[in-house]
Amino acid sequence: GAGVSQSPSNKVTEKGKDVELRCDPISGHTALYWYRQSLGQGLEFLIYFQGNSAPDKSGLPSDRFSAERTGGSVSTLTIQRTQQEDSAVYLCASSPGGTSIAYEQYFGPGTRLTVT
Amino acid sequence: GIQVEQSPPDLILQEGANSTLRCNFSDSVNNLQWFHQNPWGQLINLFYIPSGTKQNGRLSATTVATERYSLLYISSSQTTDSGVYFCAVGILNSGYALNFGKGTSLLVTP
Repeated sequence: GAGVSQSPSNKVTEKGKDVELRCDPISGHTALYWYRQSLGQGLEFLIYFQGNSAPDKSGLPSDRFSAERTGGSVSTLTIQRTQQEDSAVYLCASSPGGTSIAYEQYFGPGTRLTVT
Repeated sequence: GIQVEQSPPDLILQEGANSTLRCNFSDSVNNLQWFHQNPWGQLINLFYIPSGTKQNGRLSATTVATERYSLLYISSSQTTDSGVYFCAVGILNSGYALNFGKGTSLLVTP
């Protein structure tokens, strides 16, 4: 079946602009995660959604970052007033979910964000 | 958060050689995954292995949860095995969000 998809694959934006990154999880997966990969910080967790529960935002680096998940499926990560340090590959992952059992996470191809 | 250390950081092998990659983690975990990141940046799932031993072709993995480490074995390496291998762990209290190690960069030469 279809895997996790992300769009756009590449995004170049000017410093100070807002950007939106989209993630379509695997159908039926209730858990959705955002991570980012940058040269200086490696792979780091940003935010997590489980079903209709309030998201875990503990990994967001600043209040310029926000995310929402509509209808328990598609998610959008928004970065306001982008800065050069936001340049990274943003990765989305999904899993079958559940709060008492851990499941394997599957990753999308990522969105490469470049802030000029 | 949980600390994840991978070793070695870099590894060069000749085609056909075997290797062992190690992942140490600082606390008890509920999930552990090994990934291969290909040259295009895609994270490919290798193993979901919070405990025990699994094998898939030339690759196998063992996690000893009580001693907080996992090993990834690559046998008869091929040039297509080149790339970065990541270990990642998660716990219930953080919704199983993955904490990644810095990776092992593997180059297999012909």
